[in-house]
Amino acid sequence: QQQVKQSPQSLIVQKGGIPIINCAYENTAFDYFPWYQQFPGKGPALLIAIRPDVSEKKEGRFTISFNKSAKQFSLHIMDSQPGDSATYFCAARGDIGADMRFGAGTRLTVKP
Amino acid sequence: NAGVTQTPKFQVLKTGQSMTLQCAQDMNHEYMSWYRQDPGMGLRLIHYSVGAGITDQGEVPNGYNVSRSTTEDFPLRLLSAAPSQTSVYFCASSYASAGAGELFFGEGSRLTVL
Repeated sequence: QQQVKQSPQSLIVQKGGIPIINCAYENTAFDYFPWYQQFPGKGPALLIAIRPDVSEKKEGRFTISFNKSAKQFSLHIMDSQPGDSATYFCAARGDIGADMRFGAGTRLTVKP
Repeated sequence: NAGVTQTPKFQVLKTGQSMTLQCAQDMNHEYMSWYRQDPGMGLRLIHYSVGAGITDQGEVPNGYNVSRSTTEDFPLRLLSAAPSQTSVYFCASSYASAGAGELFFGEGSRLTVL
């Protein structure tokens, strides 16, 4: 049973659109919530991450919104570009050196 | 900057054969882990280690063994390969201290078991 549930499985938007990917978790011991971006044939790479003491974090065109009470967090990509087409994974981690658990992934396609 | 290095990148095995996927990191990270990636399943944790001599099971450990004799290396062994182990395998590492944060991934090893 996955500890982090991610939706949607796939997403297609037009260039300039704002794709939103959602994740939910159950384990309240999680205290680090990253998003990873993966291009075909490559390993996942950290895109942006948030800790539960803040409700929002922005880095460039990427924003994480975090709702601690609902145990949900989401990724928003502003002014999306074809180069953003990739698979995105949410994840969660807690405790010292604890393992990181990933969502199932969302395949994003941004059409020109 | 090497980061996390995985070998081999591609491997084809027959059912019942054994093999070892190699993983090495040069960032002096205490924490290392192995994931498998399957379509629609995301990244599932196989085994992890928080330091030399310490290993533990993740979500899907059956059919895999690991050991951690040095900080740098964390090999994954398949003792008797099965078609269900056809997957892309990723090794990852990070610091193990409080607030460890970012996990760094290798480029992956694609394994096919016939």
